[in-house]
Amino acid sequence: SQQGEEDPQALSIQEGENATMNCSYKTSINNLQWYRQNSGRGLVHLILIRSNEREKHSGRLRVTLDTSKKSSSLLITASRAADTASYFCATDVFYAGGTSYGKLTFGQGTILTVHP
Amino acid sequence: EAQVTQNPRYLITVTGKKLTVTCSQNMNHEYMSWYRQDPGLGLRQIYYSMNVEVTDKGDVPEGYKVSRKEKRNFPLILESPSPNQTSLYFCASRHPRGSTQYFGPGTRLTVL
Repeated sequence: SQQGEEDPQALSIQEGENATMNCSYKTSINNLQWYRQNSGRGLVHLILIRSNEREKHSGRLRVTLDTSKKSSSLLITASRAADTASYFCATDVFYAGGTSYGKLTFGQGTILTVHP
Repeated sequence: EAQVTQNPRYLITVTGKKLTVTCSQNMNHEYMSWYRQDPGLGLRQIYYSMNVEVTDKGDVPEGYKVSRKEKRNFPLILESPSPNQTSLYFCASRHPRGSTQYFGPGTRLTVL
């Protein structure tokens, strides 16, 4: 079953605007990751935020994590046409010994279209 | 270059004809996974492996088999493919301690 659920399912904006995507999940996690997928291609890792972190930045990306609400958001600032892609969140759960269960659980993704 | 490779990239086959999709990674990762991606359903995990000879079912394992005889390879086997297995398949690998997952380029399978 899908743990993460992204919202909105699709987002259409103009170049230069900010894009915000949300992800909700159901169970406790150790980290949450965001991935990007260009049409029909493999997913590429964007950023990872651990359960004890609340906010993380990487270039034009800003990710927040609220474990009490079991939700995360990805903000892309000053978007570009090249940011057009699908964005997925994925949750990771660890054993007590500090290693992952082995399965990342992905949401259904947000399709972002940035118009030039 | 660190990468996950899959072959073939495209495959059209007929119902019942056994096929294997190969996956190989050069990063010495313990964890490997297979996913399928379908419109409106996102990525769903088929099988995963935490090390050589250690595999486990994901969310949608029916109709699939895997093996992990070597650390670098994780083939996906469809013993008797059916049209509902038409999909885009991805192999992925990573280290156990919650790091980035690396994806292959995908295999687009059509079962007629």
